[in-house]
Amino acid sequence: AQSVTQPDIHITVSEGASLELRCNYSYGATPYLFWYVQSPGQGLQLLLKYFSGDTLVQGIKGFEAEFKRSQSSFNLRKPSVHWSDAAEYFCAVGANPPRGNDMRFGAGTRLTVKP
Amino acid sequence: NAGVTQTPKFQVLKTGQSMTLQCAQDMNHEYMSWYRQDPGMGLRLIHYSVGAGITDQGEVPNGYNVSRSTTEDFPLRLLSAAPSQTSVYFCASSDTGLAYSSYNEQFFGPGTRLTVL
Repeated sequence: AQSVTQPDIHITVSEGASLELRCNYSYGATPYLFWYVQSPGQGLQLLLKYFSGDTLVQGIKGFEAEFKRSQSSFNLRKPSVHWSDAAEYFCAVGANPPRGNDMRFGAGTRLTVKP
Repeated sequence: NAGVTQTPKFQVLKTGQSMTLQCAQDMNHEYMSWYRQDPGMGLRLIHYSVGAGITDQGEVPNGYNVSRSTTEDFPLRLLSAAPSQTSVYFCASSDTGLAYSSYNEQFFGPGTRLTVL
């Protein structure tokens, strides 16, 4: 079964600085890959997903992620972080094509934004 | 549309008590699911349903029951609560019989924080 690892439990960046959150997956082929954001007290919201084609994916709120097959990675980036980006971020992997519900989530990375 | 709604927001139970977590969606979505979120473990799937009358187990189904009598509702039942079930529970739905595909996604409710003493 597929799995996903988020190596960083907590990251702190200054407002206006760039951001990169790491995600590594385990899967035998090209999977579906997702990034979700969870603001305090809220449910998860999809930022972006990848399943084929262009390896650089644009998402909402100015986020992007790059699929690198050779590194089994799908890192999330943002060029300039805003205070409102403080949240928890989850990477997830799913089989491709989809089967049942086999999405697996990483443990999450908590982002703190310093003024 | 209200989207995916969950009640209650918070609940405290004693060991051995039973309760039902409610989940409803008003988007006519076929697929609904329940996850639990524990620190350091991300979200894990408990049960899911691909339509009314159809349910199946996820990764961590033990101690939980579900049923799907209508498209809109997908309640999660704890028959005899245990401290290990202390968690935040999320319900999600999507508009096909799959959790995800190239053209759809899951929408999540705001969660229910459950504490079992």
